[in-house]
Amino acid sequence: TQTVSQSDAHVTVFEGDSVELRCNYSYGGSIYLSWYIQHHGRGLQFLLKYYSGNPVVQGVNGFEAEFSKSDSSFHLRKASVHWSDSAVYFCAVSYTGYQNFYFGKGTSLTVIP
Amino acid sequence: EAAVTQSPRNKVAVTGGKVTLSCNQTNNHNNMYWYRQDTGHGLRLIHYSYGAGSTEKGDIPDGYKASRPSQENFSLILELATPSQTSVYFCASGDGGQGRAETLYFGSGTRLTVL
Repeated sequence: TQTVSQSDAHVTVFEGDSVELRCNYSYGGSIYLSWYIQHHGRGLQFLLKYYSGNPVVQGVNGFEAEFSKSDSSFHLRKASVHWSDSAVYFCAVSYTGYQNFYFGKGTSLTVIP
Repeated sequence: EAAVTQSPRNKVAVTGGKVTLSCNQTNNHNNMYWYRQDTGHGLRLIHYSYGAGSTEKGDIPDGYKASRPSQENFSLILELATPSQTSVYFCASGDGGQGRAETLYFGSGTRLTVL
């Protein structure tokens, strides 16, 4: 079974803190990984993706993620969060590059000003 | 301006009624998708399409039909709506193809309540 797991349903930090949102996937073959952000009442917006090359990928608004094949992980990080980063973050995995993206259940990030 | 537009934004339907959710994209993407979002489940794929005239079943297609009459438009149809289909529905277009990892572009969602 192909799955993606986000172990933290909720994360709360203060503005200026660093944050890491975790994502783990199952499957050992070719894989495409993405992170999306959803602000309250809005659709999802793309943050970044990995499919080959440098395992550390940069995204919008200072976010980055690191792919680890050995840990089956693709954790999202930001060095210094802003209150506007408060949102739900979804990790998505595809084993074909398109069509069947499997989304995690999301991590709700709350940034306290 | 929004490249993926869904209508209506909100819909209340009665059990057994027919519901059509519409999606229009101006990205000129071949791929389009319908997802539903429920608390505790994340997003689940209902139907998708590779282009005009094509529809494919996703992970949870039962009770839903899809129609892709043109590159721009992709509809989700509930012939006989049930309360279990109360959810938020998202349409997305995707720029994938030729082995390129796809980026999805989502609409703002349709909140459907079936009474």
